[in-house]
Amino acid sequence: DTGVSQDPRHKITKRGQNVTFRCDPISEHNRLYWYRQTLGQGPEFLTYFQNEAQLEKSRLLSDRFSAERPKGSFSTLEIQRTEQGDSAMYLCASSSRNRPHEQFFGPGTRLTVL
Amino acid sequence: AQSVTQPDIHITVSEGASLELRCNYSYGATPYLFWYVQSPGQGLQLLLKYFSGDTLVQGIKGFEAEFKRSQSSFNLRKPSVHWSDAAEYFCAVGDEYGNKLVFGAGTILRVKS
Repeated sequence: DTGVSQDPRHKITKRGQNVTFRCDPISEHNRLYWYRQTLGQGPEFLTYFQNEAQLEKSRLLSDRFSAERPKGSFSTLEIQRTEQGDSAMYLCASSSRNRPHEQFFGPGTRLTVL
Repeated sequence: AQSVTQPDIHITVSEGASLELRCNYSYGATPYLFWYVQSPGQGLQLLLKYFSGDTLVQGIKGFEAEFKRSQSSFNLRKPSVHWSDAAEYFCAVGDEYGNKLVFGAGTILRVKS
């Protein structure tokens, strides 16, 4: 049973560029979550999916952010026109149908916007 | 709205000493409570969780936590700290439906030899 994986682990980009991150949940987990963690803070919820349906989005998720989970398996998080304030660790988590409250986290993608 | 407070930003303990990390939560319904640990540059690992039943829960790596409803607290403890326990610890609250987790700001644990 492999854990949650995220790609890339690190991304450095220039302000104004678009970036896309990928998350592969634990197999057969039907829920997938995205969180953002800035330095010195705990993770903050961005959005989550149940299968392919996006059920909740945080107000932190501005119009420049979009997340998809087209086949109910992996998910992508895209940030358009990146800003320096987007620099953070982006964490993905997944949970199962039987234990939806127990979230397992991936290693995260560290984004640095120059 | 849900919220979690971890009053201590940093804690330093000697190796072999006992540890208690504090967590207070605010939640309108029955809380699902979690402690996660994060090593530098890594994701979060679940240490333990409380849903119902016995208010003293055991987790991995020798950690335990006690739920006290009257104090809205879920403090993490370990009888004897090892140098490898140095990391950042996060308390979180969620619900039974698997909706979002709300995290505290974390406590950085330093272990001195």
